[in-house]
Amino acid sequence: GPKVLQIPSHQIIDMGQMVTLNCDPVSNHLYFYWYKQILGQQMEFLVNFYNGKVMEKSKLFKDQFSVERPDGSYFTLKIQPTALEDSAVYFCASSSTNTEVFFGKGTRLTVV
Amino acid sequence: GDSVTQTEGPVTVSESESLIINCTYSATSIAYPNLFWYVRYPGEGLQLLLKVITAGQKGSSRGFEATYNKETTSFHLQKASVQESDSAVYYCALGRGTNTGKLTFGDGTVLTVKP
Repeated sequence: GPKVLQIPSHQIIDMGQMVTLNCDPVSNHLYFYWYKQILGQQMEFLVNFYNGKVMEKSKLFKDQFSVERPDGSYFTLKIQPTALEDSAVYFCASSSTNTEVFFGKGTRLTVV
Repeated sequence: GDSVTQTEGPVTVSESESLIINCTYSATSIAYPNLFWYVRYPGEGLQLLLKVITAGQKGSSRGFEATYNKETTSFHLQKASVQESDSAVYYCALGRGTNTGKLTFGDGTVLTVKP
């Protein structure tokens, strides 16, 4: 079936540095999402993105976070600067209009 | 805000036994949310197992069933006879009708099926 690819699967970053998480969504999908799951906690919605704009974001989507999808390439989540509490697994997802949402396997981010 | 509560795992059952994973929800932002069960098999990404968008309806997939009960605000997942290949983590989730991608997930239930 359709796949959402996330690169890399695991990333370790020093606190205060910038990190960019990459997501290759399903071809022809128009809606893109990021979710965050801290170890032992629920997977929580961060943001959704459509037509080049953030449509909705949660309180977890701090000012240090940004998303973009330049020229139909990767859908990215950038954190600048990173903090220890940003350590989590970040899941990317995509969907077409009112259809099933497809999730990637996640990128485990460790901030040290 | 919205919330989902599901059976706390891990759950272990033997092959061919029946299974029920409970899920109840609280939706403050919408009267009748869409309800979903997602599954993550070992080494795989989260994938949709079944969904129901109309209260009172039942969804089914791969032998699993769940009925949207608005009176009890529940969406329990059931299977009459599990297989070892059903071992996975199961997530109950709710979403708003106008935005299928903003989902509120439960904690997930780890299911192990013993041969």
